[in-house]
Order: sequence, then structure tokens, then C-alpha cells
Amino acid sequence: DVKVTQSSRYLVKRTGEKVFLECVQDMDHENMFWYRQDPGLGLRLIYFSYDVKMKEKGDIPEGYSVSREKKERFSLILESASTNQTSMYLCATMGRSYEQYFGPGTRLTVT
Amino acid sequence: QKEVEQNSGPLSVPEGAIASLNCTYSDRGSQSFFWYRQYSGKSPELIMFIYSNGDKEDGRFTAQLNKASQYVSLLIRDSQPSDSATYLCAVNRGSNYKLTFGKGTLLTVNP
Repeated sequence: DVKVTQSSRYLVKRTGEKVFLECVQDMDHENMFWYRQDPGLGLRLIYFSYDVKMKEKGDIPEGYSVSREKKERFSLILESASTNQTSMYLCATMGRSYEQYFGPGTRLTVT
Repeated sequence: QKEVEQNSGPLSVPEGAIASLNCTYSDRGSQSFFWYRQYSGKSPELIMFIYSNGDKEDGRFTAQLNKASQYVSLLIRDSQPSDSATYLCAVNRGSNYKLTFGKGTLLTVNP
């Protein structure tokens, strides 16, 4: 079974803080993704990575950056957290048939 | 803008009935089609995927694809209260890594 883990299930941060969300997968998948999910807006792609040190912007990259130094680990960084970044953040990996497997998610609240 | 459309629901069916969930997509280049189940507060879980026109069965689930009509559906036979969740449809163009998700249909199975 594919296993995708995320560093925290719940996180509360203050406005202006730098926030790190980590994702680790154990399936040696090359492609990894970060989404946010908000009521009424669905899943929106923030960034994805198709190889170590390689990244591409998704649909809503503003205010975020990513890092992929090792194949199994993909980090999402909020440089200066704002209240409109309060959301559920979901990491995913992609299998050989383009199917994506999601981690458990991190519910981030920025106050 | 490539879109995936789903009826938001809620779709309510009695226990034991067949639940039919529908999805249309706008990109004729779409090649892979995925169904996910998402319980409230949890991350999406892959149910099944389909590539070819016709039906694909997996246990109580059947995916149906009609590329000419740009339509994919998910049938759940013998619906159980534990099937109550939001069902997300996603499509992939095949030539890139991204999935385009619909906003989901909320299914409620009444005992």
C-alpha cells in the first residue's frame, strides 16, 4: 500500500509566521503535489514536483514556495502566513497510472 | 479553462439501493478518469480509475466512461450508510501530471 504522511494533522499559527508543512512518501514515486481544499472551491493545486529539486507552479502558487531535496520528501512553505491561508492542505503522490494518493491532510489555522 | 462538473448534491438514496454519481468534463484530450471518496474532515481516497469506454467493475463499484459524450459515472450497488461521503471525479490529460478535480457530489445513504 502507498503511504503518504504529513507532519501535522492540525496546526495553528499567527499571521506573519513562516510555516513549514512536510510530506513524506514511501513508494519511490517521482511526482508529488500540494493542494489546498476549501469549502465551495474544491481542490486547488498549489505546486507540484516531478523530480528532486524540480518544481512547477500550480493554479494558486502565490504566497507559497516548495522544496524537494530528497525524492521521498516534499515541503510546502508559507513565507509569511496570512489569515486567507487558513485551509486544509493535502499532499499527494502520483502512481504509474496517473492516479494520485493523498496524505491525511493538515488543517492549518492562521490567526 | 478545462473543467470537470459534478452535481453538488446532496444525493440521497435508501440503504440497499444503487447510487449513481455523474461527472462531465470539457477537455476532449482527457484520457484517464478517477473517482475518489472523501469522508468529512478526511483526505480523498482513491476508489477506482478507468481509461477505456465502457464499464469497469470493482466490487460494489462500477465506473462507466463515454468519451464521445464526455461523461463518466460511478455506480454504487447495495449502498450502505458507510458510503455516505463526498465523491470526487478527476480527469487527466495523459501528457502531463496534473489532475483536474470536480467539486464533488455529497452522497447520503439513509438506513
